[in-house]
Amino acid sequence: GAGVSQSPSNKVTEKGKDVELRCDPISGHTALYWYRQRLGQGLEFLIYFQGNSAPDKSGLPSDRFSAERTGESVSTLTIQRTQQEDSAVYLCASSLPLGRSSYNSPLHFGNGTRLTVT
Amino acid sequence: GENVEQHPSTLSVQEGDSAVIKCTYSDSASNYFPWYKQELGKRPQLIIDIRSNVGEKKDQRIAVTLNKTAKHFSLHITETQPEDSAVYFCAASRAAAGNKLTFGGGTRVLVKP
Repeated sequence: GAGVSQSPSNKVTEKGKDVELRCDPISGHTALYWYRQRLGQGLEFLIYFQGNSAPDKSGLPSDRFSAERTGESVSTLTIQRTQQEDSAVYLCASSLPLGRSSYNSPLHFGNGTRLTVT
Repeated sequence: GENVEQHPSTLSVQEGDSAVIKCTYSDSASNYFPWYKQELGKRPQLIIDIRSNVGEKKDQRIAVTLNKTAKHFSLHITETQPEDSAVYFCAASRAAAGNKLTFGGGTRVLVKP
């Protein structure tokens, strides 16, 4: 079946502009995550949505970053007044809800959006 | 919150040799430990995972071991092949925190033919 879809695949923007990144999760995956990966570095957690619960925003680096999710479907990550340090690959992932055993389910990643702020 | 440390940051091995990557975690409540492989320019993909109720898991040439007491887990790749060259990430999470994974910094593995 279809995997996690992200758009655009690449985005070049000028410093100070706002950008919107889109993620379409795997159908039936109630959990959705945004991660940031700077060049040559690890994955940095940004935000997590689980069903109708309040999102976990603990990883958002500043108030310029926000994200929304419509039900259990598409999510958008918005970065306002972009800065050069925002340049990175933004990865979205989705997963099934927690199993009855309370053990976690694997994350399935999209191909990411490569954001370049000039 | 959880903190995951991963070593080494780079690893070069001869084709056919074994590769071992080690990770430590700080949150004793973590109970799920996946490993992801990321080839150049591609998405991270799950290659193996282990849950806290087992100490070892194997899948063909890869295996993961978990020591809950010491709070560390390792990835073992045997009979390495050039296609194993990639960046490998370990991660940890606990069910009470949803499925939020905390990743290690990654290990770049190069398998020399």
